[in-house]
Amino acid sequence: AQSVTQLGSHVSVSEGALVLLRCNYSSSVPPYLFWYVQYPNQGLQLLLKYTSAATLVKGINGFEAEFKKSETSFHLTKPSAHMSDAAEYFCAVSDPGGGADGLTFGKGTHLIIQP
Amino acid sequence: DGGITQSPKYLFRKEGQNVTLSCEQNLNHDAMYWYRQDPGQGLRLIYYSQIVNDFQKGDIAEGYSVSREKKESFPLTVTSAQKNPTAFYLCASSTGYGYTFGSGTRLTVV
Repeated sequence: AQSVTQLGSHVSVSEGALVLLRCNYSSSVPPYLFWYVQYPNQGLQLLLKYTSAATLVKGINGFEAEFKKSETSFHLTKPSAHMSDAAEYFCAVSDPGGGADGLTFGKGTHLIIQP
Repeated sequence: DGGITQSPKYLFRKEGQNVTLSCEQNLNHDAMYWYRQDPGQGLRLIYYSQIVNDFQKGDIAEGYSVSREKKESFPLTVTSAQKNPTAFYLCASSTGYGYTFGSGTRLTVV
């Protein structure tokens, strides 16, 4: 069975500071990994995904994530936080091939941007 | 533009009543999914369907039912057997290379 752990239900950073959201996964086979963002009362928007190609994945809005197999991690980073980045962020895992049986999500991290 | 439409956006239900949430997609995706979101719980899979006229239970299927009579539609019924139905419900579809999510339905039991 797959699982995802997101460390920190709330993360607060100052505008312009580095954003680091942590995600660790558990999977018996090399998985596909995803980061999604959710604004209040809206659906999920894909930020980026890892599908066994390059281990450093670049996404939208300046975000990127690095797949580290040895650490079973897929942490999300952004060099400089913007007020518009305040949202809920979810890490998710699927089996290789896209996960026809659905994605398994972490519990989410609420990102707070301090002015 | 292609996408997923969930309706209604807000839904109120009295205890003991069944209610159906609509999910329609025009992306020509084979697979569709229903997730439930509660604060601090992330998203949990209720049901999914990989093909018309077939569906499987997810992690929290008790108290819910679905149908998949058309490729475009995957309605979710929240039955009176669901003990705590107040939540945010998200529908998604997938080709296998990526997931597209609807904007959600917030269900409140009053």
